[in-house]
Amino acid sequence: LAKTTQPISMDSYEGQEVNITCSHNNIATNDYITWYQQFPSQGPRFIIQGYKTKVTNEVASLFIPADRKSSTLSLPRVSLSDTAVYYCLVGALYGGSQGNLIFGKGTKLSVKP
Amino acid sequence: EPEVTQTPSHQVTQMGQEVILRCVPISNHLYFYWYRQILGQKVEFLVSFYNNEISEKSEIFDDQFSVERPDGSNFTLKIRSTKLEDSAMYFCASRADTTDTQYFGPGTRLTVL
Repeated sequence: LAKTTQPISMDSYEGQEVNITCSHNNIATNDYITWYQQFPSQGPRFIIQGYKTKVTNEVASLFIPADRKSSTLSLPRVSLSDTAVYYCLVGALYGGSQGNLIFGKGTKLSVKP
Repeated sequence: EPEVTQTPSHQVTQMGQEVILRCVPISNHLYFYWYRQILGQKVEFLVSFYNNEISEKSEIFDDQFSVERPDGSNFTLKIRSTKLEDSAMYFCASRADTTDTQYFGPGTRLTVL
């Protein structure tokens, strides 16, 4: 599994765009990049997943450069409710019976009014 | 929207006692997981379960732990003789076979005294 590195914490203000970058220099050809969000005392929640270039959904955008050695999660116009820990995970999609997720320490995002 | 549920939300037990944590995965999901998160630490994989058997387990999942799918809806984690260091949030997760996105439950907070 590719190791990931992301900032331990970030601060932002309501209404700002937040970009959280994750480094994964040893990403393998068949690895995907997935981001999860975790609120205090809750289970992680899937946000977005991508393989290359850009992916956008109703919650966030994910930017992946051509070399795929890093990725950036972009949260547009954050609100106080976006305060959470954000995890970057890298691994292959599993068609079989495995697929356990390996979480790092994540990035603790604090949104202030 | 379907969701994973877990009971109880909080379990307090004495050291050496057996506990059973219960989970109801999303109904059409085939892959089931248990994770734990010690307070202030990262989410750790315990075990994955598919087709009525364990498909992978971590070093944490020793002989004191067992999992079972006793019927078509429940998925349980049993700790035979709890230790103080078993105090943590325990999260159940499930996924369908067409995606690697895992859906987490709200967790059970286990406190071992």
